[in-house]
Amino acid sequence: GENVEQHPSTLSVQEGDSAVIKCTYSDSASNYFPWYKQELGKRPQLIIDIRSNVGEKKDQRIAVTLNKTAKHFSLHITETQPEDSAVYFCAGSQGNLIFGKGTKLSVKP
Amino acid sequence: NAGVMQNPRHLVRRRGQEARLRCSPMKGHSHVYWYRQLPEEGLKFMVYLQKENIIDESGMPKERFSAEFPKEGPSILRIQQVVRGDSAAYFCASSPFLLAGDTDTQYFGPGTRLTVL
Repeated sequence: GENVEQHPSTLSVQEGDSAVIKCTYSDSASNYFPWYKQELGKRPQLIIDIRSNVGEKKDQRIAVTLNKTAKHFSLHITETQPEDSAVYFCAGSQGNLIFGKGTKLSVKP
Repeated sequence: NAGVMQNPRHLVRRRGQEARLRCSPMKGHSHVYWYRQLPEEGLKFMVYLQKENIIDESGMPKERFSAEFPKEGPSILRIQQVVRGDSAAYFCASSPFLLAGDTDTQYFGPGTRLTVL
């Protein structure tokens, strides 16, 4: 079955800097890769997703890149703000979502 | 358009009791997924259901856990004879449509936090 690895587990950046979170997946049949943001005690919220027929997708300060050959995808957050502080989860899917273990992002003002 | 609804939001049970968790998908969504999240950990897939059908229960423990999504009413995740290790947040998600071999966007509910004393 699918296995998704996520790095780093924690990430601390200064406000205004960029943050990058990387994930790798094992099953080449996976075709959908969403990213979720989860604040403490809250539900996971979809922030961006990408399908296997696309290499890059951008939404304002957030972008995701996908390298199918290497089986990895990354989340890029530019101009980080304190409200970006949360746990971010990547996932791979052929149907059900298989999640990485999460990255705790802290943005220091 | 109301989002995914779950109730109760918090549930306390003593060891050996039963827990029933409910999930109402977003309007127009016919696919429901249940995930479990242990403290400080990621989300683990449990079961995927469509109306009156269990599509994939590969993540569901073999004993004590069951799920249904009846023709009318919410999806229910049932845990019998709860143990302390069942304490976790249980999230459901819904999606509108699923093509064979494809995946549609999943939207999560607020979760039910189960505490077993």
